[in-house]
Amino acid sequence: EVQLVESGGGLVKPGGSLRLSCAASGFTFSSYSMNWVRQAPGKGLEWVSSISSSSSYIYYADSVKGRFTISRDNAKNSLYLQMNSLRAEDTAVYYCARDPVVGAAAGPNWFDPWGQGTLVTVSS
Amino acid sequence: SYVLTQPPSVSVAPGKTARITCGGNNIGSKSVHWYQQKPGQAPVLVIYYDSDRPSGIPERFSGSNSGNTATLTISRVEAGDEADYYCQVWDSSSDRVVFGGGTKLTVL
Repeated sequence: EVQLVESGGGLVKPGGSLRLSCAASGFTFSSYSMNWVRQAPGKGLEWVSSISSSSSYIYYADSVKGRFTISRDNAKNSLYLQMNSLRAEDTAVYYCARDPVVGAAAGPNWFDPWGQGTLVTVSS
Repeated sequence: SYVLTQPPSVSVAPGKTARITCGGNNIGSKSVHWYQQKPGQAPVLVIYYDSDRPSGIPERFSGSNSGNTATLTISRVEAGDEADYYCQVWDSSSDRVVFGGGTKLTVL
């Protein structure tokens, strides 16, 4: 069974940092692009970042570019999101999601499946 | 930047057909994907590549895309279909994933 499990969320002060992790299982992690999508409380989905299978292609939303860094460790079947200079508006549930197209290169396709999400709260 | 516009809400009686639109400039030239999200749960893919259905998604769910509008159609709506629905595209001109604002489907 394909499974994605996020961790690392919590309460952090404005200006602080947090590192999210996503542990993947049930598929050949190194063959798939991966993504982070967030959802602020009561709001819609917002794409955050995408990384190709070999980390050759990386994309960021304008709202996080320069503050967040996506990375992956294919040996550990893990996806990461390093979040720096956090702001109140970064408060959200953060989901990791797989791009199900094997070997997808430039440009994410669609997202399936999604993890259960981890909550990040930025507040003083 | 590319914008996808969805109606905030759609209401339908059980057994009827619900149509949720997703508007965007020449969206027919892009691949559109749709997600269902129930309260407290992660999103679930229901349509990809405009009209393809993942395994496990009922045939009642279908999609179309032409011109400036993509449409998710849910036939014979059931109470369990009540959820938020989001459309999504990849905008290659800006290298950004774009989600629509979401549509809350209410089953009367």
